[in-house]
Amino acid sequence: GEDVEQSLFLSVREGDSSVINCTYTDSSSTYLYWYKQEPGAGLQLLTYIFSNMDMKQDQRLTVLLNKKDKHLSLRIADTQTGDSAIYFCAEKKGTGGGNKLTFGTGTQLKVEL
Amino acid sequence: KAGVTQTPRYLIKTRGQQVTLSCSPISGHRSVSWYQQTPGQGLQFLFEYFSETQRNKGNFPGRFSGRQFSNSRSEMNVSTLELGDSALYLCASSLSGSGGDTQYFGPGTRLTVL
Repeated sequence: GEDVEQSLFLSVREGDSSVINCTYTDSSSTYLYWYKQEPGAGLQLLTYIFSNMDMKQDQRLTVLLNKKDKHLSLRIADTQTGDSAIYFCAEKKGTGGGNKLTFGTGTQLKVEL
Repeated sequence: KAGVTQTPRYLIKTRGQQVTLSCSPISGHRSVSWYQQTPGQGLQFLFEYFSETQRNKGNFPGRFSGRQFSNSRSEMNVSTLELGDSALYLCASSLSGSGGDTQYFGPGTRLTVL
């Protein structure tokens, strides 16, 4: 498809793990990113993964990449109320210079006590 | 280091007017990109400037334009505003835009067109 797809909502309990999924469009995409957006704010870069990697771990965050299925996931361990936000995946296509990110629709994560 | 700054943070205009938004990148960053965020269309790439030249362009009409100055600061202009231009406009900067060079976003300018 043409769109980077994400599920719209995810609700978890505090302390549980959250898994946010993303299906991207271009198998030649070189870098894939996860951004977080809190209400009224811009986008905060959480992590990114290069396309020749399968997994990347950064503290509570684990990114898994399945290139064959063009599937990306973000796992947040020990989810806290401060993690409540909208999470966007984004792909950078091609290997040429320049920045052009194609973003997913965003997943709203709600963390309940 | 100071982050990406955008001015103004909020703006109200009427249809037919034009508007200019400003973005100051992180010191040392030479690439500046602009994105439009709306509830209906999500985040869409507008254009990218690097070394005062437009390097990439999204699928927006010619009413949307931009420029970059020698100090890497960038402005975007929207002429003949339409109601559908109401959005959060986000600016992002990066060192060069190549490879895994990551983009850092500003807080955005919220434009409302009445």
